[in-house]
Amino acid sequence: KAGVTQTPRYLIKTRGQQVTLSCSPISGHRSVSWYQQTPGQGLQFLFEYFSETQRNKGNFPGRFSGRQFSNSRSEMNVSTLELGDSALYLCASSSGHLGQPQHFGDGTRLSIL
Amino acid sequence: EDKVVQSPLSLVVHEGDTVTLNCSYEVTNFRSLLWYKQEKKAPTFLFMLTSSGIEKKSGRLSSILDKKELFSILNITATQTGDSAVYLCAVEWGSQGNLIFGKGTKLSVKP
Repeated sequence: KAGVTQTPRYLIKTRGQQVTLSCSPISGHRSVSWYQQTPGQGLQFLFEYFSETQRNKGNFPGRFSGRQFSNSRSEMNVSTLELGDSALYLCASSSGHLGQPQHFGDGTRLSIL
Repeated sequence: EDKVVQSPLSLVVHEGDTVTLNCSYEVTNFRSLLWYKQEKKAPTFLFMLTSSGIEKKSGRLSSILDKKELFSILNITATQTGDSAVYLCAVEWGSQGNLIFGKGTKLSVKP
């Protein structure tokens, strides 16, 4: 079956703008987690959605937000972009239950000029 | 503060060598430990370990967990250039399957 699909693959923005990233999970998966990956900090957890509800949130400012739709697709929004937001944003889906691994998409590479 | 520490951060070997990657953790409400391989794009799932002392094996890769000493190792035997990647260790915690990642070990296999 199809894997996790993230769009767009690449994005270039300038400081102060906002951006919306999209993630379509594996069919049947109800949990979607978002991560920010940078060379210095590695993979850091942003938030997780399950059945349209945010279940957990990482230690990121309120400029980072997300939502999940009834078909489990998820979007992540970053407002008032800063240079430090340049990163690879990864989405992972799972059934949402313990014992089931998360499966990742290829990510969206966001560059802030 | 919960943390996952991987060592070494990078490693260069030659084809045919055997390598051991390490992952130690201090995480409350530990549920399981996972290994992923990341080449240029998506991390791909390798293993999920929940019980101490039970080796998981897939081809030339194997992994084991020690819940008393709070660490795991990932072994790769007879390495090939296609094994070159960043290997990520993650700990699943709490009741909802969230992950904390280590910073990864970058493995380079030279022909």
